[in-house]
Amino acid sequence: NAGVTQTPKFRVLKTGQSMTLLCAQDMNHEYMYWYRQDPGMGLRLIHYSVGEGTTAKGEVPDGYNVSRLKKQNFLLGLESAAPSQTSVYFCASSYPSGQTEGEAFFGQGTRLTVV
Amino acid sequence: AQSVTQLDSQVPVFEEAPVELRCNYSSSVSVYLFWYVQYPNQGLQLLLKYLSGSTLVKSINGFEAEFNKSQTSFHLRKPSVHISDTAEYFCAVSVPFSGGYNKLIFGAGTRLAVHP
Repeated sequence: NAGVTQTPKFRVLKTGQSMTLLCAQDMNHEYMYWYRQDPGMGLRLIHYSVGEGTTAKGEVPDGYNVSRLKKQNFLLGLESAAPSQTSVYFCASSYPSGQTEGEAFFGQGTRLTVV
Repeated sequence: AQSVTQLDSQVPVFEEAPVELRCNYSSSVSVYLFWYVQYPNQGLQLLLKYLSGSTLVKSINGFEAEFNKSQTSFHLRKPSVHISDTAEYFCAVSVPFSGGYNKLIFGAGTRLAVHP
């Protein structure tokens, strides 16, 4: 079982460059999320999607955009990278509320460094 | 607003000793509670969860957590740790969010370091 797959696993960007992180899940989950993990701050929600074609802002959405054109994929874009976006990014997916009450399945993470 | 506080950022312990990782939450509504574990260079994995029923929940690898509603706590315990338990542990609560979605709120994490 592949579960949740993130690509790439590592990336170094120069300030101002753009990139897209790809998340793919094969569990037919409705909900998908992008988190960033920073030391001492736990995981913070960037954007989420409750279904194909829908996206919404989380706690820290500034500087990021997302798209969910297909149910299994959730893309996170950085239009103009900044050093403050240096972080580890995690994608997760879950069933809708009422089925597993928020239990999420995580990818392996993408370590992004912006120099 | 809901929040999760993990009271210890790091917990060093010797192998075969007991350990407790503390988690407190604040919420004005009923919540579901989770502990996730993150091994080095990996994503988060669900360790155990409390949804309803018995307030003591157990994992397959010997961890247990007890939901205490009056103290709004969900502490994680293991009576005897192994080197392989070295990891970062995250407490999380699932609370209702807009549009019927349940949102996961994470604590800052506790790094458990087991020494021989």
